Amino acid sequence: AQSVTQPDIHITVSEGASLELRCNYSYGATPYLFWYVQSPGQGLQLLLKYFSGDTLVQGIKGFEAEFKRSQSSFNLRKPSVHWSDAAEYFCAVGAADSWGKLQFGAGTQVVVTP
Amino acid sequence: GAGVSQSPSNKVTEKGKDVELRCDPISGHTALYWYRQSLGQGLEFLIYFQGNSAPDKSGLPSDRFSAERTGGSVSTLTIQRTQQEDSAVYLCASSLTSGGGLRSEQFFGPGTRLTVL
Repeated sequence: AQSVTQPDIHITVSEGASLELRCNYSYGATPYLFWYVQSPGQGLQLLLKYFSGDTLVQGIKGFEAEFKRSQSSFNLRKPSVHWSDAAEYFCAVGAADSWGKLQFGAGTQVVVTP
Repeated sequence: GAGVSQSPSNKVTEKGKDVELRCDPISGHTALYWYRQSLGQGLEFLIYFQGNSAPDKSGLPSDRFSAERTGGSVSTLTIQRTQQEDSAVYLCASSLTSGGGLRSEQFFGPGTRLTVL
């Protein structure tokens, strides 16, 4: 069965510290991978995506993610967190040959402390 | 330019009533998606439109749910005889074309929060 797992429901990080959010997937087809961020009262915003090629992808707001096929993971990282990064983060997967259906993880809530 | 808009932003209704949720996609976007975000279920796909057609309705949870799209633009999600378990945030997204599949970025609206009492 296809699945997307975000093991951490909630993470608290100090401002200026590094952040890593985990995402593991189980997908039969070639997966396309995404990270979205949802701030309170806002819709989902795409941070970055991976289709193929270089396994380290850069996104907006200083985020990056690394695709590791052997570990079925697509972890999101940011070297230095800002208070404005407090939000909920969703990993999503879709089949490369699909019309656009996304399967989302349960999300990780990030709290940033001063 | 304008993003995806949804209305109402909040809707409170009584169990058994019908509700209509509206989505205005980005102008020119031919693909439109509805998702539901609820506690315990996370973000779930509901239905996908390409133009006015819905090739994939597989995520609609029951026959009380229906959706239509007119003029290749506005979409309405209708929930009949609402139940408390329908309480959720309903998100709409649009993308330029489904021909590109997931390579065409989906832009999400702010959602409609539905509360069924």
